[in-house]
Amino acid sequence: TQLLEQSPQFLSIQEGENLTVYCNSSSVFSSLQWYRQEPGEGPVLLVTVVTGGEVKKLKRLTFQFGDARKDSSLHITAAQPGDTGLYLCAGVNDYKLSFGAGTTVTVRA
Amino acid sequence: EAQVTQNPRYLITVTGKKLTVTCSQNMNHEYMSWYRQDPGLGLRQIYYSMNVEVTDKGDVPEGYKVSRKEKRNFPLILESPSPNQTSLYFCASTGSGTTNEKLFFGSGTQLSVL
Repeated sequence: TQLLEQSPQFLSIQEGENLTVYCNSSSVFSSLQWYRQEPGEGPVLLVTVVTGGEVKKLKRLTFQFGDARKDSSLHITAAQPGDTGLYLCAGVNDYKLSFGAGTTVTVRA
Repeated sequence: EAQVTQNPRYLITVTGKKLTVTCSQNMNHEYMSWYRQDPGLGLRQIYYSMNVEVTDKGDVPEGYKVSRKEKRNFPLILESPSPNQTSLYFCASTGSGTTNEKLFFGSGTQLSVL
C-alpha cells in the first residue's frame, strides 16, 4: 500500500489545456516535495512546500499544500509539450522521503 | 558540475552472482540514499546514510547491503541477486537530509537479474 496516493495515474491533454495532479495521504508530513522525471533520468526537484495551506507558484505551475499537511496538488496552466513527464510527490518526515507512484503527463502538440 | 554519478547505467546479471552498483557525489553532502523504482510503485527507499559510517534501513532493505566508508561514496551491494530485484535503481544525496533540502538524484541503474 502506497503511503502517498497520486491521481490520476495517467493524464493526456492537448497543448494549452490546464491540468491538476493530486497527492493524498492519511499521514501528516513536515513538508512535501514535487519532482519531475524524464525518461532515462533521475527525478528533479520542482518545489518544496512546508506550511499547511501554502501555495507556491513557479511560472505556469501552482503547488498547494493542504491545511492539514496530508495532501497536495500541482496545477499546470496552459500546458506545453515540454511539461510532458512523470510527476512525483514525496512526503518528508525527518530523514525519510515517501514517494507516490507518480502521474504520467503527456501534452500533445 | 555538481552531480551524483552512478555506475553502471545498465547491468544484466544472473541469479546469485554478487554485484555492486557504485554511487559518488561531489557536493560534500552528508546524506545519501538508495531507491528502487518499479512501475506502479514509485520510488521506495532501500537504505540511507546520514554520514560516514552511519547507515540505516529504508522501506525495502531485504537483499541489499550498503557501506559508507567515505563521505562521497555510497555503494549498493547485492550479495545474491534474485529476479525480484530487477528494477531501476537511483542514488540520491542532499546536504543534511532535513525537511527542506533538495535531493539530487543520479541518472539511474537499470538492473536485470535473470
